[in-house]
Amino acid sequence: EDKVVQSPLSLVVHEGDTVTLNCSYEVTNFRSLLWYKQEKKAPTFLFMLTSSGIEKKSGRLSSILDKKELFSILNITATQTGDSAVYLCAVEKTGANNLFFGTGTRLTVIP
Amino acid sequence: GAGVSQSPSNKVTEKGKDVELRCDPISGHTALYWYRQSLGQGLEFLIYFQGNSAPDKSGLPSDRFSAERTGGSVSTLTIQRTQQEDSAVYLCASSLAGLPGEQFFGPGTRLTVL
Repeated sequence: EDKVVQSPLSLVVHEGDTVTLNCSYEVTNFRSLLWYKQEKKAPTFLFMLTSSGIEKKSGRLSSILDKKELFSILNITATQTGDSAVYLCAVEKTGANNLFFGTGTRLTVIP
Repeated sequence: GAGVSQSPSNKVTEKGKDVELRCDPISGHTALYWYRQSLGQGLEFLIYFQGNSAPDKSGLPSDRFSAERTGGSVSTLTIQRTQQEDSAVYLCASSLAGLPGEQFFGPGTRLTVL
């Protein structure tokens, strides 16, 4: 059975801290791994990762994929209160019509 | 429109009633997806439409759930005889054909079954 597991389930940090969110997966026919930020309802796209070891970066956020160990991390540096959200990891499988989501990590950044 | 729209944004209903949720995808997107997100959970796939092909209904949890997509655009998700466990946020997404990794999500409908 396909699995996407995120950790921690929740995290509370202070502004300025750096956080690392984890996503491990066990799926057949892996194609890509995606990270989304969900503040209220609609998840918004952050990164798509298809190759191992290549870091993707957008401002204070970065992510990397390890296809050998089957995990990805999402790093956020110098966190701000606006980073408070649920961060979702999803896997795209070749031949599948949908994405497979983890349960998410709820990040709370305290001023 | 510029993005995926969904209506209503919130729906409160009584157990046993039927509800209809609507999704209007991004213009030109032939693929449309419905997901359900229960409290504290990730997104659970429900159904997928691609153009005029038969939909992939493999995620529908019971025969009380159905969906249709008229004219290859707007979609409605219908839940008959709602139960309390149907309470969740129902999210719709759309993408260009064959690109599930590039889905754009709508704002969702929060369904509460009393």
